[in-house]
Amino acid sequence: QSALTQPASVSGSPGQSITISCTGTSSDVGGYKYVSWYQQHPGKAPKLIIYEVSNRPSGVPDRFSGSKSGNTASLTISGLQGEDEADYYCSSYTSGSTVFGGGTKLTVL
Amino acid sequence: QVQLVQSGSELKKPGASVKVSCKASGYTFPNYALNWVRQAPGQGLEWMGWIDANTGKPTYAQGFTGRFVFSLDTSVSTAYLQISSLKAEDTAVYYCARDIVVATFDSWGQGTLVTVSS
Repeated sequence: QSALTQPASVSGSPGQSITISCTGTSSDVGGYKYVSWYQQHPGKAPKLIIYEVSNRPSGVPDRFSGSKSGNTASLTISGLQGEDEADYYCSSYTSGSTVFGGGTKLTVL
Repeated sequence: QVQLVQSGSELKKPGASVKVSCKASGYTFPNYALNWVRQAPGQGLEWMGWIDANTGKPTYAQGFTGRFVFSLDTSVSTAYLQISSLKAEDTAVYYCARDIVVATFDSWGQGTLVTVSS
């Protein structure tokens, strides 16, 4: 199973919005609603921030939002804050397994 | 609150074996599958597979068959990852993660660094 495709890096200034894409196929992202996003700070475990494409777990700020169109899912972070600087990973269910994206490093300028 | 607490870092020689534990608390252990995820140094997340915490049935991702074994001890709400015939390329942080829906990992262990070096 090939990894989902994410941009290696994105950047934005405080207060701006950024979007991270996650491209798969009709066998994973395009075929199921089970797309999640995780935030990982250096040396820490990943944290679930979006599940089932667009749902936020309790405690995750509404600055984080998710969507999907066809085989591509997207994570949007609005009102960027310094603490948002981290690595972000998408994942998707696919035929009895899970596949992650390669990860995107977000830099807050 | 839900917690997954993993065992500490390990330094092993090539060819040796290692067993990583993941102790769960704060929820009914058999009700949720536990997954294992590998992260090599400076690399991304890689899904290794999962174990049904009710039946103990493991499922392994491609590339993680043969030397990797998932197991449980339900009496202490603990999952285990055993890796045999260790190679340098097994050096990584290994995470356990609870699956709350389908491929949705809401709680993660703190990670266990396994270093394989002669």
